[in-house]
Amino acid sequence: DAGVTQSPTHLIKTRGQQVTLRCSPKSGHDTVSWYQQALGQGPQFIFQYYEEEERQRGNFPDRFSGHQFPNYSSELNVNALLLGDSALYLCASSFSAGVSEQYFGPGTRLTVT
Amino acid sequence: GQSLEQPSEVTAVEGAIVQINCTYQTSGFYGLSWYQQHDGGAPTFLSYNGLDGLEETGRFSSFLSRSDSYGYLLLQELQMKDSASYFCAASYSGGYQKVTFGTGTKLQVIP
Repeated sequence: DAGVTQSPTHLIKTRGQQVTLRCSPKSGHDTVSWYQQALGQGPQFIFQYYEEEERQRGNFPDRFSGHQFPNYSSELNVNALLLGDSALYLCASSFSAGVSEQYFGPGTRLTVT
Repeated sequence: GQSLEQPSEVTAVEGAIVQINCTYQTSGFYGLSWYQQHDGGAPTFLSYNGLDGLEETGRFSSFLSRSDSYGYLLLQELQMKDSASYFCAASYSGGYQKVTFGTGTKLQVIP
């Protein structure tokens, strides 16, 4: 039973560039949430996708956007990268838009230079 | 917005019991989850409280008191491998649920 997978593992980008991160949920899950985690901090909720629509959004600018595909996998896009976007980006999957029990992927470490 | 408070660091001896507290904002509160995260790893789900009281899962227990806007994670028979960061995460209602994570408690287990 495959858990949550994310790609790539690490990424280095330059300010102003755009990045796309990918996530495949745990088998049987249909909901994907994205989080940003800075060093020494808790994960910050970016948004949640369920039934291919953004259902909830945290306090992140429109530069952060996403998509969910019919197979429940998801992408996180960040435009016009800033140095402050450097962080670990975590994807979590769950069932039926639930947030009480989420399964996290290993994350993508994004460094913006 | 909603915020959660946890102690930043806790140190405990191997074999002992440790309690990690979490207070949250009440408005729209739905339930409290706990996650463990080792350095360099992903958060791992430990426990969820939707109702007041104690939930037990092996060496880990979690407690919720809605009247006090407070919960805790109890770790018994501490092992060295329990050294990690522990996060409480509160879910809030309002159509589709939102979740807010605390800043985490770094637990160090010493021999």
